[in-house]
Amino acid sequence: GENVEQHPSTLSVQEGDSAVIKCTYSDSASNYFPWYKQELGKRPQLIIDIRSNVGEKKDQRIAVTLNKTAKHFSLHITETQPEDSAVYFCAAGRSGGSYIPTFGRGTSLIVHP
Amino acid sequence: NAGVTQTPKFRVLKTGQSMTLLCAQDMNHEYMYWYRQDPGMGLRLIHYSVGEGTTAKGEVPDGYNVSRLKKQNFLLGLESAAPSQTSVYFCASVDRPNTEAFFGQGTRLTVV
Repeated sequence: GENVEQHPSTLSVQEGDSAVIKCTYSDSASNYFPWYKQELGKRPQLIIDIRSNVGEKKDQRIAVTLNKTAKHFSLHITETQPEDSAVYFCAAGRSGGSYIPTFGRGTSLIVHP
Repeated sequence: NAGVTQTPKFRVLKTGQSMTLLCAQDMNHEYMYWYRQDPGMGLRLIHYSVGEGTTAKGEVPDGYNVSRLKKQNFLLGLESAAPSQTSVYFCASVDRPNTEAFFGQGTRLTVV
């Protein structure tokens, strides 16, 4: 089955800095890569996703890049704000057969004012 | 539109007791999942369902059973709770492959 590795497990930045979270996946057939944000005590919610036919996608201060050859994808947050503090999960999925999104272990992002 | 709703939100069980967690979604989604979230371990898949009447084991199925008799409901059962099952449980649903997963609000279970 799919295996998703996520790094770092904890990331501490100053407000206004950029933050980068990286994930690798093992199944070359995976073709969907979402990112979820989980605020303290809340449920995970989708913030951005990318499909394998696209190399980069942006939405305001967040962006995701995908390198299919190397089987890794990254989340980039620019101009971080204290409200960006949360746990971020990457995931990988593939269409066809049973659909089972596999999640990374999460990155706790702390943005210091 | 309530989305995905889990019942209960909190529960304390004694070792050996049984309970059922209910997940209900009103979006007519085919796929439903139960995950457990433990510190440093991320979201680990317990069981999943690809449609009404179907269930399958995930990564950590031991000690749990599931049923999906109705498309909108996915039940997670603990027959004999153990302290190792202390965790936060999340249900999620997906409409079709490679689309957003919608999560319930979570159930915090403590087994003493």
